[in-house]
Amino acid sequence: AQKITQTQPGMFVQEKEAVTLDCTYDTSDPSYGLFWYKQPSSGEMIFLIYQGSYDQQNATEGRYSLNFQKARKSANLVISASQLGDSAMYFCAMRGTQGGSEKLVFGKGTKLTVNP
Amino acid sequence: DTAVSQTPKYLVTQMGNDKSIKCEQNLGHDTMYWYKQDSKKFLKIMFSYNNKELIINETVPNRFSPKSPDKAHLNLHINSLELGDSAVYFCASSPHQINTGELFFGEGSRLTVL
Repeated sequence: AQKITQTQPGMFVQEKEAVTLDCTYDTSDPSYGLFWYKQPSSGEMIFLIYQGSYDQQNATEGRYSLNFQKARKSANLVISASQLGDSAMYFCAMRGTQGGSEKLVFGKGTKLTVNP
Repeated sequence: DTAVSQTPKYLVTQMGNDKSIKCEQNLGHDTMYWYKQDSKKFLKIMFSYNNKELIINETVPNRFSPKSPDKAHLNLHINSLELGDSAVYFCASSPHQINTGELFFGEGSRLTVL
């Protein structure tokens, strides 16, 4: 079974600074995918970034980068130059397989607050 | 055009009632899901359908019955609603294999049971 752990219930960062949101995972699958989603107060789930277990390089998407350390089973999200609009819940997720179909297993989330 | 749309967005009802939430996706995806987000924001999968066929059924009470009339629609019917059913329910869709983040979520349906 797959498991995602996010140990930071809440994080604070000053506007324009960088912040790292932690995510560790556990799986016995040799091939897996890791995802980060953002959920603002309006409630929608917004896909941010994806990292495949065999990807050689860390994923980057604009101000988002994923610090993937396979041996440590961690997939931390780094947000550079934080903006007020980055205040939201952030969920780490892993692709898991059940019954021949894939699903995402989510961590409990980290609430990020960006201060002006 | 909204890729994954859910209705209603808000639903307030009394304990013991039966209610339905509808979901439609126009992405041509084969697989659809229902996730439940509880008051602590934890997201947990409930069901997965692939091309109208039930694939994943987590340990969800049988008061919850998903129905997929075609691969673009996955509705959720809940019988005999209980207080603990209060949550936000998210519909999502993806191609059969989730490769690079192609899990698209609807906007969620907030269910409040009084």
